[in-house]
Amino acid sequence: GAGVSQSPSNKVTEKGKDVELRCDPISGHTALYWYRQSLGQGLEFLIYFQGNSAPDKSGLPSDRFSAERTGGSVSTLTIQRTQQEDSAVYLCVSSKTPGNTGELFFGEGSRLTVL
Amino acid sequence: DQQVKQNSPSLSVQEGRISILNCDYTNSMFDYFLWYKKYPAEGPTFLISISSIKDKNEDGRFTVFLNKSAKHLSLHIVPSQPGDSAVYFCAASDRGSRLTFGEGTQLTVNP
Repeated sequence: GAGVSQSPSNKVTEKGKDVELRCDPISGHTALYWYRQSLGQGLEFLIYFQGNSAPDKSGLPSDRFSAERTGGSVSTLTIQRTQQEDSAVYLCVSSKTPGNTGELFFGEGSRLTVL
Repeated sequence: DQQVKQNSPSLSVQEGRISILNCDYTNSMFDYFLWYKKYPAEGPTFLISISSIKDKNEDGRFTVFLNKSAKHLSLHIVPSQPGDSAVYFCAASDRGSRLTFGEGTQLTVNP
């Protein structure tokens, strides 16, 4: 498709399990971000990939969170030993231009529920 | 530390009237500002942006105003339509860094 694709769209897991969320950005977009939105909260930055540069991981809330971007395209966000406070909508975002002067294109999100 | 704040979690207006959504920021290094619109079960979509070298940018029914001295921006929608009902996020960046988003404002336009 032409947009940012995320999977799964919904994930329910038990506390303590690991989850993987996948993102296929728009082809040709060099910048990829992960944000999350918790109930009643704004959009919280998690991690930013730009081309071959080292990712900006400063938004990851704990060492249980990690992300990879293989081949400059698909990205996977992994949450280990999930906790209830990890429940949120995880949004993948891509942008054609470096930095933030360009438009961001959001995926529809992966809703994670940790029981 | 919330660098971008949208103090009104919700706003309700009548169809045809003006909607004004407000956003305040604290980081004086921010030089680019964007508004995103989000419908339920969808990702946010870009609406309009403004660079710090301007104080106004207009696109159809949508106008964004920037007051740098007050560190304040606002989004005006005139005339408001029921289809404008959505959550509106304000976002800001300093060049080359990530966007910082506000908490969002739920706009409801009543027919």
